[in-house]
Amino acid sequence: DVKVTQSSRYLVKRTGEKVFLECVQDMDHENMFWYRQDPGLGLRLIYFSYDVKMKEKGDIPEGYSVSREKKERFSLILESASTNQTSMYLCASSSWTGDEKLFFGSGTQLSVL
Amino acid sequence: SQQGEEDPQALSIQEGENATMNCSYKTSINNLQWYRQNSGRGLVHLILIRSNEREKHSGRLRVTLDTSKKSSSLLITASRAADTASYFCATPPWQETSGSRLTFGEGTQLTVNP
Repeated sequence: DVKVTQSSRYLVKRTGEKVFLECVQDMDHENMFWYRQDPGLGLRLIYFSYDVKMKEKGDIPEGYSVSREKKERFSLILESASTNQTSMYLCASSSWTGDEKLFFGSGTQLSVL
Repeated sequence: SQQGEEDPQALSIQEGENATMNCSYKTSINNLQWYRQNSGRGLVHLILIRSNEREKHSGRLRVTLDTSKKSSSLLITASRAADTASYFCATPPWQETSGSRLTFGEGTQLTVNP
């Protein structure tokens, strides 16, 4: 079964900490995405990547960075976590060919205290 | 930026009834997709309808697309308690092809009561 795996289901961090959210997909997909989901705001795109070592800003990149050193792995980095980054973070992947749909991980609920 | 807007925000029905959710969008599209999210989990793709299609079926799901009104609807027939979830419409940027980033609406929370 195809899978997008996010390293943590729940995460609690302190303000100012550097936070790494990891995402791995086993479908050999070229494209990977990070979204955050907040009540009343829906899903908002943070960063995405169409290839290894490539990254593009989404709609809300401020306070975040990403890393894609290998095709299967896309990391989201909060350089200095703040309380307004408390959210559900969703990783997704897709292929340039065939299906046009996104495959999502189960999400990481991050709380920044 | 928000492309799709779902309506209603919340819907509560009895098992066996049909559920209809609507999505409106602002710009031209190549396709429109519907996703489902169970509480606290990731999203799962349900169905994709292309801009040159008017209606599409998948099991108990029926999706329509009216590009002149920039709107789509998702109908779930003979609903079950297990259909309780949030439903989102999503669209890729105009003229971008496969695998592109999607913009999601805020979703409709469907509750199916046993």
